[in-house]
Amino acid sequence: GNSVTQMEGPVTLSEEAFLTINCTYTATGYPSLFWYVQYPGEGLQLLLKATKADDKGSNKGFEATYRKETTSFHLEKGSVQVSDSAVYFCALLSSNDYKLSFGAGTTVTVRA
Amino acid sequence: GAGVSQTPSNKVTEKGKYVELRCDPISGHTALYWYRQSLGQGPEFLIYFQGTGAADDSGLPNDRFFAVRPEGSVSTLKIQRTERGDSAVYLCASSPDRISYEQYFGPGTRLTVT
Repeated sequence: GNSVTQMEGPVTLSEEAFLTINCTYTATGYPSLFWYVQYPGEGLQLLLKATKADDKGSNKGFEATYRKETTSFHLEKGSVQVSDSAVYFCALLSSNDYKLSFGAGTTVTVRA
Repeated sequence: GAGVSQTPSNKVTEKGKYVELRCDPISGHTALYWYRQSLGQGPEFLIYFQGTGAADDSGLPNDRFFAVRPEGSVSTLKIQRTERGDSAVYLCASSPDRISYEQYFGPGTRLTVT
């Protein structure tokens, strides 16, 4: 079956630090990959996505590249802000499927 | 436009009681999903509707859980004889159609069973 493993948190950083959250997956076929973010008190929001190997998803300064050879989709941001404090979820969707499979989430706190 | 809305935002109930959780999807979205998020975990799939019918209810944990979508829009998740283990955040999502990649999530209903 499908599964997603992401880096355990919590992660605490200072403003302007570099952030990386590791995500690896197991799936049949060629899944689409996603990063969702959950800000305090808000619902899940799609942060970025990639639908095929070597695609790079990017949004709000965050990037992730779909690496089929390493079955990974690591999230990175070069300079975090306090407003990036949130819980980040890696997720996958198998082709011709509709059930998102999520990782356990990584809590990120950015200090001023 | 309006996003996915869920009511109530919080629900506290006693063990053994019946609860209903409501989801209003984005207007025009034909696909609707329910997920459950336990503390410290990612959301887990419960059920998927395409239109009025439950196309896949394989994620429902047992027969105490049931969901309906009678007119193909609003959906209600119903839990009978609640147990403390049912405590979680219940998330609803919708998408324009079955093969759409993006699911739009509501803010969730936090259910606490005492």
